Parts: sequence; C-alpha cells; structure tokens
Amino acid sequence: AQSVTQLDSQVPVFEEAPVELRCNYSSSVSVYLFWYVQYPNQGLQLLLKYLSGSTLVESINGFEAEFNKSQTSFHLRKPSVHISDTAEYFCAVSRGSNYKLTFGKGTLLTVNP
Amino acid sequence: DAGVTQSPTHLIKTRGQQVTLRCSPISGHKSVSWYQQVLGQGPQFIFQYYEKEERGRGNFPDRFSARQFPNYSSELNVNALLLGDSALYLCASSPGGNSNQPQHFGDGTRLSIL
Repeated sequence: AQSVTQLDSQVPVFEEAPVELRCNYSSSVSVYLFWYVQYPNQGLQLLLKYLSGSTLVESINGFEAEFNKSQTSFHLRKPSVHISDTAEYFCAVSRGSNYKLTFGKGTLLTVNP
Repeated sequence: DAGVTQSPTHLIKTRGQQVTLRCSPISGHKSVSWYQQVLGQGPQFIFQYYEKEERGRGNFPDRFSARQFPNYSSELNVNALLLGDSALYLCASSPGGNSNQPQHFGDGTRLSIL
C-alpha cells in the first residue's frame, strides 16, 4: 500500500518570500511522484512530476521539487512566491503513470501582500 | 486541444436518489479514472478504466459503479445517495498503455446531497 503525508495543512507567507511545502511518502515499490495545484472551484493541474532520471524537477512557473529516496520525500520549493500562487497543493504518488494516484490531504498556500 | 470535460458542473440531489456523472477524456487518451474529493481532503481513487475494462477499484461501496464507452468517454453512477456522498467528483485521463504521460484532470462535478 502507498500513502502520502503532507506535513503542513496551511502555509501562510508574504509575497516574494521563499516557501517549502513538505511531502513524505511510503511505498513498498518504486514510485512516481507528482505535485498538483488546485485553484478555487477548479480541478487539479499538474505542476511537476518525477518519473526517473534527475532527482530535481522544475516547473515552468518557478517551482521545483527534489526526490529524496533515502528520506522518502518530495518537497516542493519556490524561491520567491507571488500572490497568484495562492492555492491548494497536493502531493501524489503512484506506481506508474497509468495507475491510480494516492494523494496527500493537501497544503493551502496563502501568499499575503 | 480540448482538455478533460465533465458534465454537469454542479448537481443537487436528495438522499436516496441516483446520479450519473459524465466525462470526456482528452482526444487520444484511452484511460479514465474517477476520484472523489470531499471538502478539505485530497482526492480519493474510485475507479480506473482502460480500453473499456475496469482496471482498478478503490474502497467504495457497491452503490458506486462506472463504465467506459467505445469512444473512451465514461460515466460514474451512484445509487441510493447519502449525505456523505456530497463532494467534488473528478475525472482524469491519460494515454494508457506504456505511456509515461501523467493523468490530466477535468474541473469536476460538484455534487450536493440535501
């Protein structure tokens, strides 16, 4: 069985400050890892994914996440956040791109001016 | 290209009724998955279909059923609705097979049970 723990349910930060959203997972098999973002009244949008290869993955809007196998973590970071980054962020794991996703409970990132 | 489309966007039902939710995957995607997202929680896996066959089922009662059509669209049916079925129901599609492409989600159907 797989599980995902997002350690912070809410993270408030000021605009232009750095942020880290934490995600730990457990699995008995090799996994694929994902971060999805959900804006109010919308579905989930893929932010970035780790499938294999380089353990540091980046998104087009400045977020990055690092896969750490020894610590079973996949923390999401951004060096400088914007108001528009305010949203709910979900970490997810699966044993393959075409298998079910197991999600964490989400972290609400609130960026204040 | 159109993304994953779901209908209806909102739905209000009463306890004991039945509901059908619909999903059209991204063109070329053969796999469709359904998730339930209760307020304040992460999505929970309900079903996955690939090439019209059920590939996986989450921990949901038999009141929940689904099917996939030859054009790869899908329906989720829920019978004997309970107050606890109130949630956002999300559909996701992916190419399936040996592809490494991740699942793409629709905007969901918000189901409210009175």
